[in-house]
Amino acid sequence: AQKVTQAQTEISVVEKEDVTLDCVYETRDTTYYLFWYKQPPSGELVFLIRRNSFDEQNEISGRYSWNFQKSTSSFNFTITASQVVDSAVYFCALSEAVNYGGATNKLIFGTGTLLAVQP
Amino acid sequence: KAGVTQTPRYLIKTRGQQVTLSCSPISGHRSVSWYQQTPGQGLQFLFEYFSETQRNKGNFPGRFSGRQFSNSRSEMNVSTLELGDSALYLCASSLGSPDTQYFGPGTRLTVL
Repeated sequence: AQKVTQAQTEISVVEKEDVTLDCVYETRDTTYYLFWYKQPPSGELVFLIRRNSFDEQNEISGRYSWNFQKSTSSFNFTITASQVVDSAVYFCALSEAVNYGGATNKLIFGTGTLLAVQP
Repeated sequence: KAGVTQTPRYLIKTRGQQVTLSCSPISGHRSVSWYQQTPGQGLQFLFEYFSETQRNKGNFPGRFSGRQFSNSRSEMNVSTLELGDSALYLCASSLGSPDTQYFGPGTRLTVL
């Protein structure tokens, strides 16, 4: 069965601190996609990044960076020099890409990590 | 390009009633998926449509149904509402499948 675990329920940091959000996934598929979404208080899920199972290159986008390690089934997200605007719930998600019915977009989400950045 | 839009944004219903939620995907997107978000169960997949065909369905009772129209707009319907159906219902669209999904602002349903 597929599963995404975000063990950190809440993290509180002070502005300008670096923070890492952990994500561990389980799947038997060889082809899959991993995602990170941000959910601010308004409720809308904002797409941050997608990684496919064949691409283990780490990625950096501004203050955001992602570390994908298949050996440990982890896809961690680091925010450097955090800002108050980074306060939100962050979700890691897994897509199996293909199921018995064919291609699919079905996402399996973790329980989310609430990040509070204090000024 | 306009994002995913959902209507209505807020809805209050009573037990036993039925409700229809609407989703307009990003222009050109052919795949629409629906998710339910509750404090207890988190984000759960409801169903996925592509070119008017249901491709995948989550583990929800038959009271939850959906459809997609030829213009890719989608509706979901919940019949015989229960208190536990109170949730944020999120719609997401993508160009194809599998692909990155972009979410709408959601419809917050409250069942009294």
